[in-house]
Amino acid sequence: AQKITQTQPGMFVQEKEAVTLDCTYDTSDPSYGLFWYKQPSSGEMIFLIYQGSYDQQNATEGRYSLNFQKARKSANLVISASQLGDSAMYFCAMREGRTGGSYIPTFGRGTSLIVHP
Amino acid sequence: GAVVSQHPSRVICKSGTSVKIECRSLDFQATTMFWYRQFPKQSLMLMATSNEGSKATYEQGVEKDKFLINHASLTLSTLTVTSAHPEDSSFYICSASTPGRVNEKLFFGSGTQLSVL
Repeated sequence: AQKITQTQPGMFVQEKEAVTLDCTYDTSDPSYGLFWYKQPSSGEMIFLIYQGSYDQQNATEGRYSLNFQKARKSANLVISASQLGDSAMYFCAMREGRTGGSYIPTFGRGTSLIVHP
Repeated sequence: GAVVSQHPSRVICKSGTSVKIECRSLDFQATTMFWYRQFPKQSLMLMATSNEGSKATYEQGVEKDKFLINHASLTLSTLTVTSAHPEDSSFYICSASTPGRVNEKLFFGSGTQLSVL
């Protein structure tokens, strides 16, 4: 079974508008961390935001916020005021506490975001 | 933030040759490094997890003898693609982590595009 599910292969948004990228996860471990990464065409993976399973508040980092709904096991990324430079692949990832000392991260299939001028 | 340096960024080689990719953590001690393979427009596929001073743990379906991983120090891990063939052409990316916890984000190298002729 998929541990991280990103159901939107591609998304389009108008510049300056907000966009939500979906991510649902599956784990039975009470301790886990959720991450979002951006991968532009250059290939580098850029860390955007982190949410811990015990965090009471939704994480925010500048224009990025994470809509964390624990009961629904969803961790959607919200990008406000989209910019042309936001066009990239976006990956949701999870690290679980019980996968052993390495806390092996699991990545979703990604969502390609295109921002239109 | 922490920096992970990956070299080379691009390599073109003839079929049958071996290629070595280096991944260095520049300003922190990476006890664990992950090696990923990524096909165009697809997610990161974990190949192996390496811990400093011990043998790498390979994911199912990854040939240990073809993809040799060495993590001899806390700042350097190498991936050697032995006797490369055209089907090994792909984007390879490493990531490094400090001692594992669920909230430790991964720091990624910039990736290596391997093309085998």
